Amino acid sequence: DTAVSQTPKYLVTQMGNDKSIKCEQNLGHDTMYWYKQDSKKFLKIMFSYNNKELIINETVPNRFSPKSPDKAHLNLHINSLELGDSAVYFCASSQGQGQSNEKLFFGSGTQLSVL
Amino acid sequence: QQQVKQSPQSLIVQKGGISIINCAYENTAFDYFPWYQQFPGKGPALLIAIRPDVSEKKEGRFTISFNKSAKQFSLHIMDSQPGDSATYFCAASRNDYKLSFGAGTTVTVRA
Repeated sequence: DTAVSQTPKYLVTQMGNDKSIKCEQNLGHDTMYWYKQDSKKFLKIMFSYNNKELIINETVPNRFSPKSPDKAHLNLHINSLELGDSAVYFCASSQGQGQSNEKLFFGSGTQLSVL
Repeated sequence: QQQVKQSPQSLIVQKGGISIINCAYENTAFDYFPWYQQFPGKGPALLIAIRPDVSEKKEGRFTISFNKSAKQFSLHIMDSQPGDSATYFCAASRNDYKLSFGAGTTVTVRA
């Protein structure tokens, strides 16, 4: 039973389209994240939600909009996709107390290719 | 800007050899330093971690060495095996929900 699952695994789309990535965790964690991994494998945090409340919003274009319907789900909607959005997007979760030693559990990623 | 600098970008080691990856940080507010391992097509997974009040931590063939005064830490993989071939990320965190990752090191272990 997958702890953090995200769909789809692969997403190929045209520039200008709108797409969504879904994430669910069954670990009972309070905090969920979206990370972006670029072609050089650099991992950068985009957003974080704690109990459905947005707590981290890094300098991400406002074309990216996260939504957390409940603490087990965090979706990412992207409007007007651009070539530069091509990357692997990872969902992650942690227990959520804000402690520095919290372990992050990552999903397997969504490979987004914008043509 | 990148808060954790990691080197080398990639390394190749023979089976049974030692892999060494180095990281450095500037922000002294960081108080937890994990290493994550990522296999192709998978998300990163926590491998081993250390707090700055400890100079070394060992788990099996993996050892973290920590130098607080130099603000540097490193991962040693002893007796490297082909199954260790992966990308390794050092990271640093404090109590703010943000984990700052290094740029990653791709390790290839040749049989």
